[in-house]
Amino acid sequence: GENVEQHPSTLSVQEGDSAVIKCTYSDSASNYFPWYKQELGKRPQLIIDIRSNVGEKKDQRIAVTLNKTAKHFSLHITETQPEDSAVYFCAASIHGNNRLAFGKGNQVVVIP
Amino acid sequence: NAGVTQTPKFQVLKTGQSMTLQCAQDMNHEYMSWYRQDPGMGLRLIHYSVGAGITDQGEVPNGYNVSRSTTEDFPLRLLSAAPSQTSVYFCASSYSTGVETQYFGPGTRLLVL
Repeated sequence: GENVEQHPSTLSVQEGDSAVIKCTYSDSASNYFPWYKQELGKRPQLIIDIRSNVGEKKDQRIAVTLNKTAKHFSLHITETQPEDSAVYFCAASIHGNNRLAFGKGNQVVVIP
Repeated sequence: NAGVTQTPKFQVLKTGQSMTLQCAQDMNHEYMSWYRQDPGMGLRLIHYSVGAGITDQGEVPNGYNVSRSTTEDFPLRLLSAAPSQTSVYFCASSYSTGVETQYFGPGTRLLVL
């Protein structure tokens, strides 16, 4: 299968707290896992990605962790700020790693 | 660089009409793709291309045609528009394959009446 599922669908956090979004995937051959951020009315933009030979990757306040055995990966945002409010999409490579399958997105709301 | 550009930004069609959504990139990317975005459905792949002259179907190809005659351009054709094709359409490109950073265009919002 090609399903990529994201949980929870909506996440509200207080400014300064951490947010965690989890994705699960079904294709054991997947080896590339990006996260995209989409602000209202804008295009999706890559914020971080991870490949299957790495367990964790960090970039300032955001990090992604990957558990290949369990087929899930998570986005971690620390010290959340109002500008982190957006929809976040996870994706996994499929079909010989030539395509991406996207999750349905998580709405993150940071409450000032 | 302009990156990935799409025209038009917004279009209203009547059922049965045809139209072409334009997508162009100036980054010399080999890989280009079309997605549609519907509320609560995420991004679904319509068609993609790994290089000029090569196209393939994605998850939801029915009702859409594509061609890739040049590296820069990847138009999406709706042959006979249906209300179910009301959506926001994003074109994306990446350097060589689908498993690299994909750069999205600004999107085309399509309403089919």
